[in-house]
Amino acid sequence: GAGVSQSPSNKVTEKGKDVELRCDPISGHTALYWYRQRLGQGLEFLIYFQGNSAPDKSGLPSDRFSAERTGESVSTLTIQRTQQEDSAVYLCASSGRAGMGTTNEKLFFGSGTQLSVL
Amino acid sequence: KNQVEQSPQSLIILEGKNCTLQCNYTVSPFSNLRWYKQDTGRGPVSLTIMTFSENTKSNGRYTATLDADTKQSSLHITASQLSDSASYICVPHGGATNKLIFGTGTLLAVQP
Repeated sequence: GAGVSQSPSNKVTEKGKDVELRCDPISGHTALYWYRQRLGQGLEFLIYFQGNSAPDKSGLPSDRFSAERTGESVSTLTIQRTQQEDSAVYLCASSGRAGMGTTNEKLFFGSGTQLSVL
Repeated sequence: KNQVEQSPQSLIILEGKNCTLQCNYTVSPFSNLRWYKQDTGRGPVSLTIMTFSENTKSNGRYTATLDADTKQSSLHITASQLSDSASYICVPHGGATNKLIFGTGTLLAVQP
């Protein structure tokens, strides 16, 4: 596709339920990131996938959070037993192979999934 | 440890005026610095990317400066437009990691 696509754009759920968020990166992008943005806050890194390498999960806030990626395409972020503190916008981004250490690579973001836990 | 400090936190200017946003960072080692624009309800969009050896880079009405010695950067917006209303986020990068650390940014409102 032309850009990073995320679905759903909005999700309202009840406390304790599981949710699954989807990200379709730009075709050909090997790197995929998930960020969380609480209201009025900066972006908080969650997890990073690069090709077939083991993902960097260092930003996941608890074991209720997990993410999977199929090859170099779709990724899903799963939040189990949601809590009200999980309410935020979840942003997905993708980039090419070279990595953020070079100025050739830009990070392209989707519009996010607004998650509201009641 | 807060690695990025941006000022002001928020700013209101009139359409057509110029403004300058500031960024101080402590990331070390340092490889590059990025400025992003985030419209309300959207993901951030890259404006400029500079390495430690670059002092200035422009993208249309946006001009970023960088002083890697003092670890300071600025983003100057010329002849502001209503569509410039957004959050502007300074993102310094360093080391082997591919994680980008985003601050809360400066919230700019351009009024007619």
